[in-house]
Amino acid sequence: EDQVTQSPEALRLQEGESSSLNCSYTVSGLRGLFWYRQDPGKGPEFLFTLYSAGEEKEKERLKATLTKKESFLHITAPKPEDSATYLCAVQGDYKLSFGAGTTVTVRA
Amino acid sequence: DAGVIQSPRHEVTEMGQEVTLRCKPISGHDYLFWYRQTMMRGLELLIYFNNNVPIDDSGMPEDRFSAKMPNASFSTLKIQPSEPRDSAVYFCASSLGGTDNEQFFGPGTRLTVL
Repeated sequence: EDQVTQSPEALRLQEGESSSLNCSYTVSGLRGLFWYRQDPGKGPEFLFTLYSAGEEKEKERLKATLTKKESFLHITAPKPEDSATYLCAVQGDYKLSFGAGTTVTVRA
Repeated sequence: DAGVIQSPRHEVTEMGQEVTLRCKPISGHDYLFWYRQTMMRGLELLIYFNNNVPIDDSGMPEDRFSAKMPNASFSTLKIQPSEPRDSAVYFCASSLGGTDNEQFFGPGTRLTVL
């Protein structure tokens, strides 16, 4: 059965304190791994798609990487506006599954 | 483009009543998805359509739930009869080209069943 596990559940950072979020997965036939950002009271907003191990993508202070078993979302020198819940999703051969998310709080 | 539009934004109803949620996808997108989000279960895919045809409804929790897409610019998710455990935020999303591509989410409908 396809499974997506995100850790930690919550992360509190000081502004400028870099850190990483983890998304580990088991899936039959990876067709894509997605990272979304969700602000309170809003729908998820697309950040990245990764398709194969070794692939990396960057956007401002965020960088996503992918291996055969997990993905990391690195946040470099975060700012308070990076506070949000970050969701990982995996599209396998048969199913699209979302993780429970990591809630990031960045204090000024 | 206005993005994905959902209505209503909030719905409060009593157990046993019929509830209809509405969605207008981004123009030109050929895939439409319905999700449910709760604290306990996170974000769950209920059903998705391709070119107005339901492709996978394996996530629909039970027969009380039904979804339709009569044309490329409109979809509904209906719950009849509603139960308190249906209380959740329901999101609609659309994409171009398939489930392997990024999805654009609407603002959601917060449903409360009393």
